[in-house]
Parts: sequence; C-alpha cells; structure tokens
Amino acid sequence: QVQLQESGPGLVKPSQTLSLTCTVSGGSISSSGYYWSWIRQHPGKGLEWIGYIYYSGSTYYNPSLKSRLTISVDTSKNQFSLKLSSVTAADTAVYYCARADCSGGGCHSDYWGQGTLVLVSS
Amino acid sequence: SYELTQPPSVSVSPGQTASITCSGDKLGDKHACWYQQKPGQSPVLVIYQDTKRPSGIPERFSGSNSGNTATLTISGTQAMDEADYYCQAWDSRTVVFGGGTKLTVL
Repeated sequence: QVQLQESGPGLVKPSQTLSLTCTVSGGSISSSGYYWSWIRQHPGKGLEWIGYIYYSGSTYYNPSLKSRLTISVDTSKNQFSLKLSSVTAADTAVYYCARADCSGGGCHSDYWGQGTLVLVSS
Repeated sequence: SYELTQPPSVSVSPGQTASITCSGDKLGDKHACWYQQKPGQSPVLVIYQDTKRPSGIPERFSGSNSGNTATLTISGTQAMDEADYYCQAWDSRTVVFGGGTKLTVL
C-alpha cells in the first residue's frame, strides 16, 4: 500500500519561499508510469493542480504558478519536493502530494497524502 | 487554458440516483476521472479512465464520458455519499480540475 506524507513549515512569511517535502513509502518513486504531484486547496474552495514530476526529473507545471514554482525529486530518499517563491496570503492553502497514474491513458491520482495546511502570514 | 464546469450543488433523496455532470470542450476525447472529498479528508478516487472503479469503491458509483460531458452516477445513494465531488481531466500534459459539486443527500 503506497503512502504519502507531506512535511514542512505550517507558517511562511509573505515574500518568502514555501518549501514542502513529500515522503513516499510502500512503493518506489522510480516506478515507471507514475508522476508525483502537488495539489492545493484554498480554504473552503476547490482543488488546484500545482504540478508534477517524473522520477527522471521531467516536470510539468500549472502555467499560473510556473514562474514561482520548482518541483524536484530525490530518488535516493524516495521523496519529492515543492518550492513556491514570493508567497502571498493567496498561497494560504492545504497542500497535498499525490501519486498520478499516467500509464493507461490520461492521469488520475490514486494515492494522496493527508494534506498540510500552510498559512502565509507575518 | 482548458476548463471543466460542474454544477455547484446537487441534491438527492436516499435510495435515489444522483448524477453529477462535468463539461469541457471535447471532454469525451480525453479521459475523465472523479474524486470524492468529505470534510477534513483528502480526496478519494472513485472513477478513473471514464468508467473504471478502483478497488474498494462500491458498485453504485459509475461513470460515463461522451461528447463534451462526463457524468458521475451514484445509484441507490446513501447518506455516506454526501460529499464534494470533483472531476478531473488531463490536457496537454497538465491536470485540470472542475470546480466541484456538493452532493447533499436529504
């Protein structure tokens, strides 16, 4: 059973960089056909895709966040990470990491972390 | 950019059939999936590749996708099915979510 766990600061100051890590257990991050995703949800709102990364390092980002976003992978630790720079209060959200199965047509997220709330405030 | 449109809310009586739609340009040419999210919980995949159910998802959940509309159908809706439902598609290597539909069972 694949499990994902987000970790990182729950409070970030405006203009600083939000950094989160997702640790994958019960499966290898280097498995073929899976992309490793970040998704966020503003309080009381819907889901917003942030981006994903393949174990090889290939990345795909939400165009609206691309200029501030970096997603990286560390296969030796079975982890992937998110960095979002120049944050504002609008980046306050619950951040989820998830595994996206893109092996059979389209992509769907079959395993999700529990989510972590990040508050942007001074 | 690609957009998916869902009704904000749908109501259904217990035991009846609930249908939640998701509209997008030529959505039927893409693969749609659906997630269920209950308050304070992470989303759960209930339908993928238009019609497939993950292991552990009850048979009362089914999906279809044709033309510009994907539909999630819940037959014999139960109180436990009350939740937010999100459709999702994959377009040009990016993931797109619908705005979500709140399903009320009353």
